[in-house]
Amino acid sequence: NAGVTQTPKFQVLKTGQSMTLQCAQDMNHNSMYWYRQDPGMGLRLIYYSASEGTTDKGEVPNGYNVSRLNKREFSLRLESAAPSQTSVYFCASTLLGNGELFFGEGSRLTVL
Amino acid sequence: GQQLNQSPQSMFIQEGEDVSMNCTSSSIFNTWLWYKQDPGEGPVLLIALYKAGELTSNGRLTAQFGITRKDSFLNISASIPSDVGIYFCAGQTRDNYGQNFVFGPGTRLSVLP
Repeated sequence: NAGVTQTPKFQVLKTGQSMTLQCAQDMNHNSMYWYRQDPGMGLRLIYYSASEGTTDKGEVPNGYNVSRLNKREFSLRLESAAPSQTSVYFCASTLLGNGELFFGEGSRLTVL
Repeated sequence: GQQLNQSPQSMFIQEGEDVSMNCTSSSIFNTWLWYKQDPGEGPVLLIALYKAGELTSNGRLTAQFGITRKDSFLNISASIPSDVGIYFCAGQTRDNYGQNFVFGPGTRLSVLP
């Protein structure tokens, strides 16, 4: 049972480059989330998708875009990476009404 | 953004000791969650609590959902070296747009042999 799978696990970008972080869950969950985790800042919500076909901004959406490709997959795109986007990114998912949030293993992004 | 208050921030204990940490908020939550995060890994869900006053155990871990719905605590009994890590609490609410989760800053636990 894979749970929440994120790719890539590590990535180094130069300022201005673009990239997409992929996330897939195999638990038939309705809602999916993208968080970033920075030292001293805790987990901050970037974007979420309450259900297939919907996406909404979270606390720190600037510089990011998302796509809910289908029920399983939720991708996060950085169109023009900036050093301030150096962080660890976590995808998470939950079953609507369930209240239990499950995380992937994280994607560690460095922007030079 | 909103964040939960979690204490202590860090703790150093001897192997075999019991550990207690708590999480408080000014807001009411429907669900309280406790996670453990190892270095380089994602948070792993340890315990989920759904009702005010609920007391739930998972092995040596016991957590309670506060009566006011604004707090929760986690106890670890007879600590072992693999308990080392960061423990996060999270509160969950629900609105018309879906489920919202708020996280504590974490308690860093070190276990001395």
